[in-house]
Amino acid sequence: NAGVTQTPKFQVLKTGQSMTLQCAQDMNHNSMYWYRQDPGMGLRLIYYSASEGTTDKGEVPNGYNVSRLNKREFSLRLESAAPSQTSVYFCASSPSGPGELFFGEGSRLTVL
Amino acid sequence: GQSLEQPSEVTAVEGAIVQINCTYQTSGFYGLSWYQQHDGGAPTFLSYNALDGLEETGRFSSFLSRSDSYGYLLLQELQMKDSASYFCAVMDSSYKLIFGSGTRLLVRP
Repeated sequence: NAGVTQTPKFQVLKTGQSMTLQCAQDMNHNSMYWYRQDPGMGLRLIYYSASEGTTDKGEVPNGYNVSRLNKREFSLRLESAAPSQTSVYFCASSPSGPGELFFGEGSRLTVL
Repeated sequence: GQSLEQPSEVTAVEGAIVQINCTYQTSGFYGLSWYQQHDGGAPTFLSYNALDGLEETGRFSSFLSRSDSYGYLLLQELQMKDSASYFCAVMDSSYKLIFGSGTRLLVRP
C-alpha cells in the first residue's frame, strides 16, 4: 500500500542551487497536486495537474516548475532556490474532480 | 479568486462537542472538504459535502449551506487524539483545491 510517495523526505540546499522533488502515486489517479506548508500555516497550492498532459498554476507558482511525466508521476522543480522556499512540500493525488485527496508524507526543504 | 476563513484556534474539553466553522468565497464551486493534520504529519481526508445538509461519519459530521457559502465540522465525544489542525478546502470549477489557513484544536483533559 504505497499510495503517494515523495522523494527526498529531507533536503538542505544553498541559495541558487536547483533541485527536483519527485512524486509518484500507484492508485491510478488522474489529478495530482503540489502544495507548500510553512510553519503554523495552511497549505498553499503551487501547481496542479487535473489530468495527464495538463498542468496549471496554483496560488504560489513563482519560482517553481512542474512536469507531469506520466499518469503516475508529477515532479516539482526549483531552478534557483531561495530562502523563502524553505517549507514542507506535499504532493497529493485524487481520482478526478472534487472529493478526497491522498497526500504523501511531505518533503522538508531548507534553503540556506 | 478564492478565500476561506476559519478560526485560528479552538479549545475544548475531552468528551465535549466542538464546531469549527468555515466561510468561503470562490469562483465556481464543487464542494467543501475537511482535512485533519497532526503535528509533523500529512493531511488526511475527513469529509466532503457537495450538497446542502449534514454528512455524518462516526464522531465527525460536516455541514454545508451553499446559499450562505458556509460550512462547519462537528466533532463529538472529543478525545485527546483529536488534538490537531483542521482545514476546510474548496474546489473550484478548474479542479483547483484551495485550503483555509486551518484551525488548531486543543483538547484538554
